[in-house]
Amino acid sequence: AQSVTQLDSQVPVFEEAPVELRCNYSSSVSVYLFWYVQYPNQGLQLLLKYLSGSTLVKGINGFEAEFNKSQTSFHLRKPSVHISDTAEYFCAVTLRRSNYQLIWGAGTKLIIKP
Amino acid sequence: NAGVTQTPKFQVLKTGQSMTLQCAQDMNHEYMSWYRQDPGMGLRLIHYSVGAGITDQGEVPNGYNVSRSTTEDFPLRLLSAAPSQTSVYFCASNPGLAGGTDTQYFGPGTRLTVL
Repeated sequence: AQSVTQLDSQVPVFEEAPVELRCNYSSSVSVYLFWYVQYPNQGLQLLLKYLSGSTLVKGINGFEAEFNKSQTSFHLRKPSVHISDTAEYFCAVTLRRSNYQLIWGAGTKLIIKP
Repeated sequence: NAGVTQTPKFQVLKTGQSMTLQCAQDMNHEYMSWYRQDPGMGLRLIHYSVGAGITDQGEVPNGYNVSRSTTEDFPLRLLSAAPSQTSVYFCASNPGLAGGTDTQYFGPGTRLTVL
């Protein structure tokens, strides 16, 4: 069975500092990986996804993630965060392209300190 | 396009009451899903539908019913509300492989409290 672990429930970081949000998954077969962002009191929106090809994936708002098959990780990074990046970030995985059956991590709250 | 809309935004129920959470999308998406979001647990899939007339259970279906009579609408029914159903509920849609994308589109959510 698949599972997704987001190692940090909260990550505080100063504005303009770099950040990494960690995501590890377990699966015995190939997977497709996603990061979604949820701004306060809103629904979720897609940040980026890995389906195949280059392991470095670029998303919206300056975020990128790297797929590491040997370490079963898909960590999210941004070189310089802004106060507007305050949100909760969710990592998700699916075996199939029709991803109504996504398996979700518990989420990581990114807290930007001024 | 309005995208995915959900009503109501907030609801308070008493134990044992029933209600329907509404979800509609105007993007002609094949797939629709209902999730619940609880603190520290991420999102859990309740029910999903791969097209009009076709529904199936997700991870936590007990206490909920769904139907999909049209492509646009996917209501979620709570049969007899329990405090354990206090949560934030999200509806999502996905065009499916035919739509050429893997992105799920989420509604703004319904915050439900069961007393």
